[in-house]
Amino acid sequence: AQSVTQPDARVTVSEGASLQLRCKYSYSGTPYLFWYVQYPRQGLQLLLKYYSGDPVVQGVNGFEAEFIKSNSSFHLRKASVHWSDSAVYFCAVSAGNSNNRIFFGDGTQLVVKP
Amino acid sequence: EAAVTQSPRNKVAVTGGKVTLSCNQTNNHNNMYWYRQDTGHGLRLIHYSYGAGSTEKGDIPDGYKASRPSQENFSLILELATPSQTSVYFCASGDAGGGPYAEQFFGPGTRLTVL
Repeated sequence: AQSVTQPDARVTVSEGASLQLRCKYSYSGTPYLFWYVQYPRQGLQLLLKYYSGDPVVQGVNGFEAEFIKSNSSFHLRKASVHWSDSAVYFCAVSAGNSNNRIFFGDGTQLVVKP
Repeated sequence: EAAVTQSPRNKVAVTGGKVTLSCNQTNNHNNMYWYRQDTGHGLRLIHYSYGAGSTEKGDIPDGYKASRPSQENFSLILELATPSQTSVYFCASGDAGGGPYAEQFFGPGTRLTVL
């Protein structure tokens, strides 16, 4: 079965600084990978997704993620964060045999200090 | 624009009471999902559905039933609510044609407190 580990429960950065949120997945085949964001008191929204091609995939609001197969990782990055990026970020994985299910990590809460 | 709505947004229930959480989607998606979100556990799948009349058990189905009477509606039913079911519940829909690469669209959540 597929699973996702987000090792950092909370990350604090200053506004304007760069950001990396870590994600490692477990799946022996080719994974379908996602990053979702949850703003306060809202549901999750898709930031980006990846299946194949260029391992660096661009998302909304300047976010990007890099797929590194050798490390089973799919870290999320942003060059310069804004206070409005404060939210909870979820990494997720799906697979061809998962019956259209997505398996979510526990999430990383991002706090951007002004 | 595609939309998933949930009702009620907040609910306080008594232990042993029956609770029904409702979800409606205008995306015309075949797949719908119910998750609960608790601190330290992320999102956990309770039940899901591939279309009207179908329901499937997710990872934590005990104490919950689901009902999918139509393409648009998917309900989560707690027949005998317990305090351990206090949580935030999210409904989502997804396009079955998108397969494992399909995005899920989430509702705003229902905050349930069982006293």
